[in-house]
Amino acid sequence: SQKIEQNSEALNIQEGKTATLTCNYTNYSPAYLQWYRQDPGRGPVFLLLIRENEKEKRKERLKVTFDTTLKQSLFHITASQPADSATYLCALDLGGGGNKLTFGTGTQLKVEL
Amino acid sequence: DADVTQTPRNRITKTGKRIMLECSQTKGHDRMYWYRQDPGLGLRLIYYSFDVKDINKGEISDGYSVSRQAQAKFSLSLESAIPNQTALYFCATSEATGVFNQPQHFGDGTRLSIL
Repeated sequence: SQKIEQNSEALNIQEGKTATLTCNYTNYSPAYLQWYRQDPGRGPVFLLLIRENEKEKRKERLKVTFDTTLKQSLFHITASQPADSATYLCALDLGGGGNKLTFGTGTQLKVEL
Repeated sequence: DADVTQTPRNRITKTGKRIMLECSQTKGHDRMYWYRQDPGLGLRLIYYSFDVKDINKGEISDGYSVSRQAQAKFSLSLESAIPNQTALYFCATSEATGVFNQPQHFGDGTRLSIL
């Protein structure tokens, strides 16, 4: 069966460190992968998009990698800050138009002082 | 003002009632989506619409219906609500650019409780 897996346990890290979140998928061949941030009581907010033929994408302190052989995406936040504390969702788009996304359950990140 | 606005933000109702959740957007996007979010299950697609005349079922459409009244408005209805439809509901929009992937823009959700 098709599955998207993100760590269900919260990730706690110290301010200034790099946070690395994992998104693994099985029985999918996504053409694109997106990462979103969700704060309590709010809707998800788009962060980064990476295509299947791209290995890495960066935006300010954020970096996403996409390994279609390992069927895995890693999401990195460098120089993390308490304001980065949130739940981070990965989402797969299988391509072919329609822009329909399949979401993982998300990983909660807590950045401590 | 928010680009994607959902009303109401919270709703408590009883089993068997008809409920409508509304979504309006000022982004000028053609594509609109309805999702529900449950703890441990993530966001799941209920319905999506590519334009006013094009509405499609998503992963979990049973028990729901939608109406695209205009480019800017997309409403979700529960004809006869049941307790397992208690969830957080999100509306989202995206640009239409053919086969290329686009970010989705979400509202802040409607928390629906069915007793």
